[in-house]
Amino acid sequence: DTGVSQDPRHKITKRGQNVTFRCDPISEHNRLYWYRQTLGQGPEFLTYFQNEAQLEKSRLLSDRFSAERPKGSFSTLEIQRTEQGDSAMYLCASSPTGVGNTIYFGEGSWLTVV
Amino acid sequence: QQQVKQSPQSLIVQKGGISIINCAYENTAFDYFPWYQQFPGKGPALLIAIRPDVSEKKEGRFTISFNKSAKQFSLHIMDSQPGDSATYFCAARGSNTGKLIFGQGTTLQVKP
Repeated sequence: DTGVSQDPRHKITKRGQNVTFRCDPISEHNRLYWYRQTLGQGPEFLTYFQNEAQLEKSRLLSDRFSAERPKGSFSTLEIQRTEQGDSAMYLCASSPTGVGNTIYFGEGSWLTVV
Repeated sequence: QQQVKQSPQSLIVQKGGISIINCAYENTAFDYFPWYQQFPGKGPALLIAIRPDVSEKKEGRFTISFNKSAKQFSLHIMDSQPGDSATYFCAARGSNTGKLIFGQGTTLQVKP
């Protein structure tokens, strides 16, 4: 399967712990996006990369959140000192650069902070 | 600060009927308008998309109608089936960043 792959699919963690999610985009897609989705809401933009450069970060992305894409391929999203309000599905998406190119989403990583 | 507004929030349609979901946007710097279908526990899957220089696009039972002057676009699902029961999101893509701004979603239930 050559779609966007996310790992782990589910994570339960205690408040205050750190968690890291990994995303493998579709091969040769140079844009990679992270979104967050809570129950009953549409996905909200967090950040995006063009190759290895992080070009934009949402105000939703507090200083406890950090994302990297070190070699312009896979990406990681780390949440430090998790809070209950961080419980959500974290979605990764990728696309080629260019007008009108389709953005493909992964299946998401569910985070539950207890 | 919501730039894409979607309605209705929920929709119940009989099997074989037409489902219509509407969206309106506030920013003209969008270059692509996709619709995503999402089933519980799954990521959004692209259903159909349109560029602003086209007024209508049809793929099978799914049609997007786009009104650039009114800044509105809609999804029509013809001959709705129980398997279409899902949450549908419209979105608008920024022309510079490529990031998507999503509507609030519409939960569609198709009754057999």
